[in-house]
Amino acid sequence: DQQVKQNSPSLSVQEGRISILNCDYTNSMFDYFLWYKKYPAEGPTFLISISSIKDKNEDGRFTVFLNKSAKHLSLHIVPSQPGDSAVYFCAASASIIQGAQKLVFGQGTRLTINP
Amino acid sequence: EADIYQTPRYLVIGTGKKITLECSQTMGHDKMYWYQQDPGMELHLIHYSYGVNSTEKGDLSSESTVSRIRTEHFPLTLESARPSHTSQYLCASSEQGGLAGYEQFFGPGTRLTVL
Repeated sequence: DQQVKQNSPSLSVQEGRISILNCDYTNSMFDYFLWYKKYPAEGPTFLISISSIKDKNEDGRFTVFLNKSAKHLSLHIVPSQPGDSAVYFCAASASIIQGAQKLVFGQGTRLTINP
Repeated sequence: EADIYQTPRYLVIGTGKKITLECSQTMGHDKMYWYQQDPGMELHLIHYSYGVNSTEKGDLSSESTVSRIRTEHFPLTLESARPSHTSQYLCASSEQGGLAGYEQFFGPGTRLTVL
């Protein structure tokens, strides 16, 4: 039972345009959402996050939107740059005892920015 | 920049061998995690720890074991490697609590191949 889903395995966008990556979740207990970026042969790198009490968080070229009623979040990158080409993972967190906040990851979306 | 290290980065080993994957962090984080990721798939939590002498099983059943004798060190051991253990293993750490506790810092990963 996959609780976090990224239904697009890949996305190709032209340089300078907007990239929109989508993520759906099923568990209404999730209280924090994160996006990670991963290059080949490297570990994931934290990109941006959003609390369940907010519907938008912006950091430079990156904006994350949360629609709790639809259990959907999206990552917008504008303008897209060649260095943004990577695999993007959506992750959701539900706190557990002792404060070890577990993350549940989606399958990832491979973003390719074309010059 | 996160200071979390994993060795070896790549390991090719024969069936039946005992292996230990090393993970160390210099950030003083109490919480540490091990994930397993197959190509094109999501990261699955296999072990976590919320401090010295504490270890817990994650969401994905794994034949590996972990130990946490020192805050900075969280090694993973496979007593008898099998081809089904072939995967990428990612170590992560995070701060103790609050919103910062949700953000996990990842190491570069160990790509394990069991022949």
